[in-house]
Amino acid sequence: KAGVTQTPRYLIKTRGQQVTLSCSPISGHRSVSWYQQTPGQGLQFLFEYFSETQRNKGNFPGRFSGRQFSNSRSEMNVSTLELGDSALYLCASSSVGGTNTEAFFGQGTRLTVV
Amino acid sequence: GQQVMQIPQYQHVQEGEDFTTYCNSSTTLSNIQWYKQRPGGHPVFLIQLVKSGEVKKQKRLTFQFGEAKKNSSLHITATQTTDVGTYFCAGTEGAQKLVFGQGTRLTINP
Repeated sequence: KAGVTQTPRYLIKTRGQQVTLSCSPISGHRSVSWYQQTPGQGLQFLFEYFSETQRNKGNFPGRFSGRQFSNSRSEMNVSTLELGDSALYLCASSSVGGTNTEAFFGQGTRLTVV
Repeated sequence: GQQVMQIPQYQHVQEGEDFTTYCNSSTTLSNIQWYKQRPGGHPVFLIQLVKSGEVKKQKRLTFQFGEAKKNSSLHITATQTTDVGTYFCAGTEGAQKLVFGQGTRLTINP
């Protein structure tokens, strides 16, 4: 069974640009969550999608958005990039979502904003 | 909002020594999960605790959930170099999102 796949693995963008990150969950998993990981802040929850609907949202500005497609693949978009958006972005999939199930993480996308 | 605090932030031990990381929540948790992230890797699920006072063991790792379901700990006996990494706890009070602690980074002197 293939794991969670995130693309691209690495990305360099300029301030003010926008970026789209992709996450393909494990086959059969309907929940996809996104996290931002930085050395000082640990893993910060961005949002969770389940069956194409955003079910939970963290405390990030509106520049961060996401969506989920009918095949459960998810994309995350960050507009008007700032230097502080440089981080490892991780997505995690689980079968039904919620907090009672194991989350499987992808390798992450390392975003650098210059 | 819900906060999950984890201490210590860093821990360096000699190989063979024990290691413990602690997780504390500002609110009562429904359950708590533990993850390990190797350097350069991604978090990998270790275990989930659900019941008050629950204790689970995985070889040299012992996980505990407090009686009040507000704290948890992970104890590693006789550390090995393969234990190197960052250990995260993640809890929830019922909402559909996991709140992660800041992690404890474990380094080991062989």
